[in-house]
Amino acid sequence: GAVVSQHPSWVICKSGTSVKIECRSLDFQATTMFWYRQFPKKSLMLMATSNEGSKATYEQGVEKDKFLINHASLTLSTLTVTSAHPEDSSFYICSASGHRMPYEQYFGPGTRLTVT
Amino acid sequence: GDSVTQMEGPVTLSEEAFLTINCTYTATGYPSLFWYVQYPGEGLQLLLKATKADDKGSNKGFEATYRKETTSFHLEKGSVQVSDSAVYFCALSSGSGGYNKLIFGAGTRLAVHP
Repeated sequence: GAVVSQHPSWVICKSGTSVKIECRSLDFQATTMFWYRQFPKKSLMLMATSNEGSKATYEQGVEKDKFLINHASLTLSTLTVTSAHPEDSSFYICSASGHRMPYEQYFGPGTRLTVT
Repeated sequence: GDSVTQMEGPVTLSEEAFLTINCTYTATGYPSLFWYVQYPGEGLQLLLKATKADDKGSNKGFEATYRKETTSFHLEKGSVQVSDSAVYFCALSSGSGGYNKLIFGAGTRLAVHP
């Protein structure tokens, strides 16, 4: 149990376009979802935390108008990278936690974004 | 701010060798500490955790002890297998209540050869 999926697993887009990444909890209700960004050979960096039905809380330095996060249901959160630029190219990872195990995060496999 | 430092990889070992991956942290409060593992093509999985000083987390033959005096949480395994090849992340929870946001180390890649 506690499986989290992400879609797509990789995406290539052109500068100036927007791309949406989905994060789904497949077998539990995710009351909280987290979005991370991972640079090559670097740590995972928390971008934002979202609770179902409310606005996301962004970490310092993360542009909320550029990285739009929606957590409209207990099984789905989306991250939209708007007006993407090459410097947005990265590995984006989501995680989710639920009522039964509120102190544990279950991670998705990640999405590789390349902006050309 | 809070941070986690872990040894750079890759770590290359022969099967049945002893493994140590060092992890140290800085934190203003009393964090919980975690080791996560990421196998190729998969998401991060919680390997073990410790919530207070002197606690020992263990799972699948891996162990780590929360050492407050040295601010460390080193990962050890007595005899590694090829199937242990993965990237290992040390992490701490930041914020009151024990588990809120996670702060990760850079990850250490382990390669075990037959």
